[in-house]
Amino acid sequence: NAGVMQNPRHLVRRRGQEARLRCSPMKGHSHVYWYRQLPEEGLKFMVYLQKENIIDESGMPKERFSAEFPKEGPSILRIQQVVRGDSAAYFCASSPPGRPEGKLFFGSGTQLSVL
Amino acid sequence: GESVGLHLPTLSVQEGDNSIINCAYSNSASDYFIWYKQESGKGPQFIIDIRSNMDKRQGQRVTVLLNKTVKHLSLQIAATQPGDSAVYFCAENSANDMRFGAGTRLTVKP
Repeated sequence: NAGVMQNPRHLVRRRGQEARLRCSPMKGHSHVYWYRQLPEEGLKFMVYLQKENIIDESGMPKERFSAEFPKEGPSILRIQQVVRGDSAAYFCASSPPGRPEGKLFFGSGTQLSVL
Repeated sequence: GESVGLHLPTLSVQEGDNSIINCAYSNSASDYFIWYKQESGKGPQFIIDIRSNMDKRQGQRVTVLLNKTVKHLSLQIAATQPGDSAVYFCAENSANDMRFGAGTRLTVKP
């Protein structure tokens, strides 16, 4: 039973390019969360999605960042026109259907480096 | 400009001693709390959880204490081992999402 899968594990982009981070939740899970983590800091909530719906994007920057969780396929976190400040580890987590109060299952993260 | 983050608080303990990691949460409406462990280069992993109708819960070598009066959560690790070295986060759930605390780095000295 595979866990939460994130890819790529490491992503290098030059300033101004686009970054696409993918997350496949655990089998049977319909809730996906994205978090951002800077070195030696905590996890900062970005967005919470269910299939084809954004439930809470209060932690997402208003510009350049978007997220989706289509009916088929992985959830995608997209960062357009990346800047050096976007360099961070981005973690995805999933949880099963129902009231999302249960524990989250995290992937291993994508380390984004912007040159 | 960019915001500057604070470095993680650290706790250093001797192997075999007990560890206590503390966390203050913000939302009095939160009704579910979790402790996560994050090892270097990995995603957080679930350790133990507690609901707001409880004040103590025990697992294997770990105990979580909840004090709703002062909005405080603690994680106690008995007989700390080198493999316990990691960053520990508390998380609170209210409404639709899980919010994480700043984390504490635990270092276990042999």
